[in-house]
Amino acid sequence: DAGVIQSPRHEVTEMGQEVTLRCKPISGHNSLFWYRQTMMRGLELLIYFNNNVPIDDSGMPEDRFSAKMPNASFSTLKIQPSEPRDSAVYFCASSLVQGTNYGYTFGSGTRLTVV
Amino acid sequence: SQKIEQNSEALNIQEGKTATLTCNYTNYSPAYLQWYRQDPGRGPVFLLLIRENEKEKRKERLKVTFDTTLKQSLFHITASQPADSATYLCALVSRPGDKIIFGKGTRLHILP
Repeated sequence: DAGVIQSPRHEVTEMGQEVTLRCKPISGHNSLFWYRQTMMRGLELLIYFNNNVPIDDSGMPEDRFSAKMPNASFSTLKIQPSEPRDSAVYFCASSLVQGTNYGYTFGSGTRLTVV
Repeated sequence: SQKIEQNSEALNIQEGKTATLTCNYTNYSPAYLQWYRQDPGRGPVFLLLIRENEKEKRKERLKVTFDTTLKQSLFHITASQPADSATYLCALVSRPGDKIIFGKGTRLHILP
């Protein structure tokens, strides 16, 4: 298994532009999580899905952020318009709802820089 | 509010010794506690999970304890090696499939 796949690995964009981050979870996993990591705040949960349905989006900073999971093998996190304070590493993770013995599998992350 | 505290200062340990990392939490009743390792430029990697009714769990050179009365977990690496140098994150889960809340992690340096 290739693990959780995120793209792009790095993204540099200008303030005001739309940014779309992509995630392919592990096949068979039915929970998907989007996290953001900064030095100051650590890993923060933005939103998570169970069986493609958004369960908790209370961590989404504001309306500029949106996430979708159209099917079990793909999710996107969109920021529109982007701002410099959105600069961070964004991680996607997946797990089995009942697979708590195995933890959560993270992708390699997307490093976003908004200038 | 829910809070997870890990030692923010880096921990330097001599190779071969046991490294012990601490995770404390407040205003939380987790069913599970997890430990992850994170290397620079990489995502966290799951190491161990311990349930609220378990006191201790081991995996090779790793040992985790979970004291729900003290609201604390200890993470031990025995016979530490330079390759163990990384940031270690503590994470709490209320129930299966639920969101996990992470501490900010402790950076561990194993000195040769």
